Amino acid sequence: KAGVTQTPRYLIKTRGQQVTLSCSPISGHRSVSWYQQTPGQGLQFLFEYFSETQRNKGNFPGRFSGRQFSNSRSEMNVSTLELGDSALYLCASSLALRGLNTEAFFGQGTRLTVV
Amino acid sequence: GEDVEQSLFLSVREGDSSVINCTYTDSSSTYLYWYKQEPGAGLQLLTYIFSNMDMKQDQRLTVLLNKKDKHLSLRIADTQTGDSAIYFCAVNTGNQGGKLIFGQGTELSVKP
Repeated sequence: KAGVTQTPRYLIKTRGQQVTLSCSPISGHRSVSWYQQTPGQGLQFLFEYFSETQRNKGNFPGRFSGRQFSNSRSEMNVSTLELGDSALYLCASSLALRGLNTEAFFGQGTRLTVV
Repeated sequence: GEDVEQSLFLSVREGDSSVINCTYTDSSSTYLYWYKQEPGAGLQLLTYIFSNMDMKQDQRLTVLLNKKDKHLSLRIADTQTGDSAIYFCAVNTGNQGGKLIFGQGTELSVKP
């Protein structure tokens, strides 16, 4: 069974640009969550999508957005990039039977560098 | 809001047991997790425990949960150099969907 796939693995962008990251969850999983990992702030929750709807949102500015498609694949977008957006972005996939999340499996992450 | 705390570093000798500790604040936490992260990699789910359990054992891993003190621990028996990594404790409250709150991570160093 394939794991959680995130693409691309590495990205370098310039300040002011926008970026889109992709996450393909484990087959059959309906919940996808996104996290930002930085040395200073650690792992912080961005948002969660379940059945194409945003179910939960963290404390990030509106420049961070996401969506989920009918096949459960998810994308997150960051507009007007700032240097502080440089981070490892991790996606987590959960089966979410009856909407209840138990195990969450993470992808390898996308390393975003903003210059 | 929910807060999860871990000590930052732990150093042990190969073959010894390692115990990594975690405290959390939200007593309604339903699932509690341990993840492992190696350099340049994502998070690997090691094990998790439901809040109505006190202990869970899985091969070399033992998880203990003290709900009264809101304390979670991960014991690794016969620690190997390959266990060197950062270990994260995370909690999930059932009413917040898939949102996990993570501790800062404990860097485990295993010396031969």
